[in-house]
Amino acid sequence: QVQLVQSGAEVKKPGASVKVSCKASEYTFIDYFMHWVRLAPGQRPEWMGWINPKSGATNYAQKFQGRVTMTRDTSITTTFMELNGLTSDDTAVYYCARVRTGAYSYDDNWGQGTLVTVSP
Amino acid sequence: DIQMTQSPSTLSASVGDRITITCRASQLISVWLAWYQHKPGKAPKLLIYQASSLESGVPSRFSGSGSGTEFTLTISSLQPDDFATYYCQQYNFYPPTFGQGTKVEIK
Repeated sequence: QVQLVQSGAEVKKPGASVKVSCKASEYTFIDYFMHWVRLAPGQRPEWMGWINPKSGATNYAQKFQGRVTMTRDTSITTTFMELNGLTSDDTAVYYCARVRTGAYSYDDNWGQGTLVTVSP
Repeated sequence: DIQMTQSPSTLSASVGDRITITCRASQLISVWLAWYQHKPGKAPKLLIYQASSLESGVPSRFSGSGSGTEFTLTISSLQPDDFATYYCQQYNFYPPTFGQGTKVEIK
């Protein structure tokens, strides 16, 4: 079945950057957009943006524009999400999620999540 | 952005109970709504898409209904594995937005 395996937990200082990876397997990587969603403590899930693995095209939520970069490496069927200028508000679990159809559909498979902790 | 409001925020129930969670959208979203189940430390799991379509492999005790601005997720007979947090998500408008979640606890 579809697998999305994310990189391990990270602890970062304020102002630093973090790069989270998401390795996809058991499906044709370039055929499905990928979303990134984060879940901060006590908050609702927050959609961060999408990447088209075929073209590398991206679209970011307005809140994260200028601070997030999503990339992919088709040779290793992996997408990456890099977030810069970290603050304590960025402490959250970050998920990659495969989009069922197109760019703005629902997410049918999710990674296990990557905890990013921002602490002085 | 479209605001999604779930109720209740917490629900205490027993195994075998029938439970219903409500999700309201701040604007009309037709049937473009999904429901997810989330357990701590696990990947969220898609249960329902297009308001009422059951995802493959999801038990039939789960069902969804609604259109427009009001939606419900029903579990017909709560099982031990169902204690989790449930989120609705609209995908009619950009950006996709989620409800605040409903935690289903053991009574």
